Amino acid sequence: DAGVTQSPTHLIKTRGQHVTLRCSPISGHKSVSWYQQVLGQGPQFIFQYYEKEERGRGNFPDRFSARQFPNYSSELNVNALLLGDSALYLCASSLEGVRQPQHFGDGTRLSIL
Amino acid sequence: GESVGLHLPTLSVQEGDNSIINCAYSNSASDYFIWYKQESGKGPQFIIDIRSNMDKRQGQRVTVLLNKTVKHLSLQIAATQPGDSAVYFCAENRGAGSYQLTFGKGTKLSVIP
Repeated sequence: DAGVTQSPTHLIKTRGQHVTLRCSPISGHKSVSWYQQVLGQGPQFIFQYYEKEERGRGNFPDRFSARQFPNYSSELNVNALLLGDSALYLCASSLEGVRQPQHFGDGTRLSIL
Repeated sequence: GESVGLHLPTLSVQEGDNSIINCAYSNSASDYFIWYKQESGKGPQFIIDIRSNMDKRQGQRVTVLLNKTVKHLSLQIAATQPGDSAVYFCAENRGAGSYQLTFGKGTKLSVIP
């Protein structure tokens, strides 16, 4: 069975630009979460979506937004990119919520120049 | 700030020995915990989870112990193999109504052949 897939795998942007990251959850999983992982640290929670509704939001500015589609795939959007947005962006899916095993994709490595 | 942390940032073990990775948490409302393994260039890989109504849970070569009295979690890996070399994270969910996992900084496990 296919795991969580994310695209693109790598991305280079400049300050002020906008980026869209995509995630396809494991088949049958209805919950998708997004995390940011800075080098040398653990992942930091950004958003959680379940059945196309935002259920949780971490301590990130409004430049970060996301949505979930009817097929349960998800997009993470970041506007007005800053150098500090350089990180690995991870998507995780689970059957119904975060109180079940969440399975991660391999992430999108975003570099801001 | 993070409430989940690790006592040791690095751990080196001889191949074939048992490994113990420790984790402390501070939020008494946390009732669901997960251990993840992250290899270089990959996303976190689910290892095992445990709920607060349990003290111990076993998987294949791994055991998680939960001590709610002192808010301590540990991951034991039996007969450690070179393929176990990675960074290990514990993560917590802070009870019903929390939609995120909170991760610690991670412990790097190095297996000496």
